[in-house]
Amino acid sequence: DAEITQSPRHKITETGRQVTLACHQTWNHNNMFWYRQDLGHGLRLIHYSYGVQDTNKGEVSDGYSVSRSNTEDLPLTLESAASSQTSVYFCASSEGQSEIQYFGPGTRLLVL
Amino acid sequence: KNQVEQSPQSLIILEGKNCTLQCNYTVSPFSNLRWYKQDTGRGPVSLTIMTFSENTKSNGRYTATLDADTKQSSLHITASQLSDSASYICVASQIGTGTASKLTFGTGTRLQVTL
Repeated sequence: DAEITQSPRHKITETGRQVTLACHQTWNHNNMFWYRQDLGHGLRLIHYSYGVQDTNKGEVSDGYSVSRSNTEDLPLTLESAASSQTSVYFCASSEGQSEIQYFGPGTRLLVL
Repeated sequence: KNQVEQSPQSLIILEGKNCTLQCNYTVSPFSNLRWYKQDTGRGPVSLTIMTFSENTKSNGRYTATLDADTKQSSLHITASQLSDSASYICVASQIGTGTASKLTFGTGTRLQVTL
């Protein structure tokens, strides 16, 4: 069955370190997204990609970067982790404007 | 500013009872309205998607309604079960410039179903 996976599921890191969160989907979807979820906020878009070599900034992109070298993967990198980036991160994928976004299980990141 | 507001923030009901969750949205240009269910520690899972021309859509015991004129939606859960305990997230979609819609997420209604 097609799926979307994220790794690691839990991560503790220190302020200033570079961190990369992995996202892998086997839906063969062109669209992939990274969101963060914090208490009191709805899911907020960090970065998204419409296909290989395409990346775009979302509403909360500062301090994050992504790259899309193939259809299946969209890794999210925190260049220099900050305590404000402590959050739960979700990856999602979809195909087309009105199609469902399928979400991964999430990565819980703690920055100390 | 695009916004989605949900009420109530949390709700406790007895197993077998019905409940209705509310959503008001301000998104333009509006494309569709989605409801997601998010179990604790998991990613959101889609329940329904409705375009502006659809008034109601069902998925098993879940029935969503949409009034595009008043920009309101509701999610009705019939004969609740313990497994319905989760957060329910309303999401308004606006027409994007690329191949994917731009989504605005509500903060969710936390539903607890008890014995």
